[in-house]
Amino acid sequence: NAGVTQTPKFQVLKTGQSMTLQCAQDMNHEYMSWYRQDPGMGLRLIHYSVGAGITDQGEVPNGYNVSRSTTEDFPLRLLSAAPSQTSVYFCASSGLTSGASYTDTQYFGPGTRLTVL
Amino acid sequence: AQRVTQPEKLLSVFKGAPVELKCNYSYSGSPELFWYVQYSRQRLQLLLRHISRESIKGFTADLNKGETSFHLKKPFAQEEDSAMYYCALRGGYQKVTFGTGTKLQVIP
Repeated sequence: NAGVTQTPKFQVLKTGQSMTLQCAQDMNHEYMSWYRQDPGMGLRLIHYSVGAGITDQGEVPNGYNVSRSTTEDFPLRLLSAAPSQTSVYFCASSGLTSGASYTDTQYFGPGTRLTVL
Repeated sequence: AQRVTQPEKLLSVFKGAPVELKCNYSYSGSPELFWYVQYSRQRLQLLLRHISRESIKGFTADLNKGETSFHLKKPFAQEEDSAMYYCALRGGYQKVTFGTGTKLQVIP
């Protein structure tokens, strides 16, 4: 299993540009989420999903959109990037694993470091 | 609303000294609490969870519902314990909230 994968690893954008951060997991997890990590702020929840077709807002959803069309993928879209969105973004998943009992452990991706100029 | 508070941004201890990383939470229901750790240049990973009542790498944490706390403890710090530690709470509808994190620095 690859676990949770994120692309790209690094990205530089100009203010106003749009982009999509990709997140995929191959563990058949129901729950997926996006966090941003900023110095002194810890991990803040942006959006989360409890299954395909179901998403909800976290603590800091403004400026970000998500969708969950499949169990595996949970992309995060920045429609018009702003310097305040410069951060490290982490995707995480948890939930039922195939052939195993329920696990509430969150598995994290390696992160995407985004800089908005 | 659910909230996790980690009052210390940085905790420095000498090798061999006891460690206590503080975590307080606010949640109206029955919480599920976790400690995650992020070593330098590595992904966040689960350290332990309160329902397992386990000891991982010498760390333990006890849920105190009266004080709404879930402090992480280790009797003797090791240099390899230096990392960023996050307390997390899972509340309603699977939503997981993290604290701001505490950087543990173990001085040789």
